[in-house]
Amino acid sequence: AQTVTQSQPEMSVQEAETVTLSCTYDTSESNYYLFWYKQPPSRQMILVIRQEAYKQQNATENRFSVNFQKAAKSFSLKISDSQLGDTAMYFCAFMTYNQGGKLIFGQGTELSVKP
Amino acid sequence: NAGVTQTPKFRILKIGQSMTLQCAQDMNHNYMYWYRQDPGMGLKLIYYSVGAGITDKGEVPNGYNVSRSTTEDFPLRLELAAPSQTSVYFCASSYMGPGGAKYNEQFFGPGTRLTVL
Repeated sequence: AQTVTQSQPEMSVQEAETVTLSCTYDTSESNYYLFWYKQPPSRQMILVIRQEAYKQQNATENRFSVNFQKAAKSFSLKISDSQLGDTAMYFCAFMTYNQGGKLIFGQGTELSVKP
Repeated sequence: NAGVTQTPKFRILKIGQSMTLQCAQDMNHNYMYWYRQDPGMGLKLIYYSVGAGITDKGEVPNGYNVSRSTTEDFPLRLELAAPSQTSVYFCASSYMGPGGAKYNEQFFGPGTRLTVL
């Protein structure tokens, strides 16, 4: 069975600084996707970034980038130039190919961006 | 497009009562999902459907039932509510092409907060 672990329950960062959220996962599959979702106080789940396991290049989306280490089964999220609107819960998630698109989530990291 | 809609937004149930959480999507997605999110935790899959008339269990299906008679709707039924079902429930949908390997983004509804007392 696949598992996703986020070992940082809470983190804080000063506005405009950089923060890195950690995620590790366990799987025996070779083809899969990894995601970071943001959940602000509104509860809406928002996709931040995704990574396909067969791609060696790390995904980036504006201020958000990942460090994907497939051998180590690690998938961290870096947020650059943090903004107050980045304050939210962040979830790491995993999906294998051909299994109905089911997402497996980590426990989440609560990020606070301080002015 | 409204995307994924869920009703109600909030509900309080007494132990032993039953209710149906409604979910609808207008994006013509074939795949639909129900997740629950317990306080301080990530989402866990309850049930999912790959098309009308086809449903399957996820990680935490006990105490719930689903049906999918149309592409648009995927209701979740709670029978004999228990305090352990106090949670926030999210419905999601996506389009998966033939073969199932191609990724398409899952779109989430706003959630239903359910309290069982």
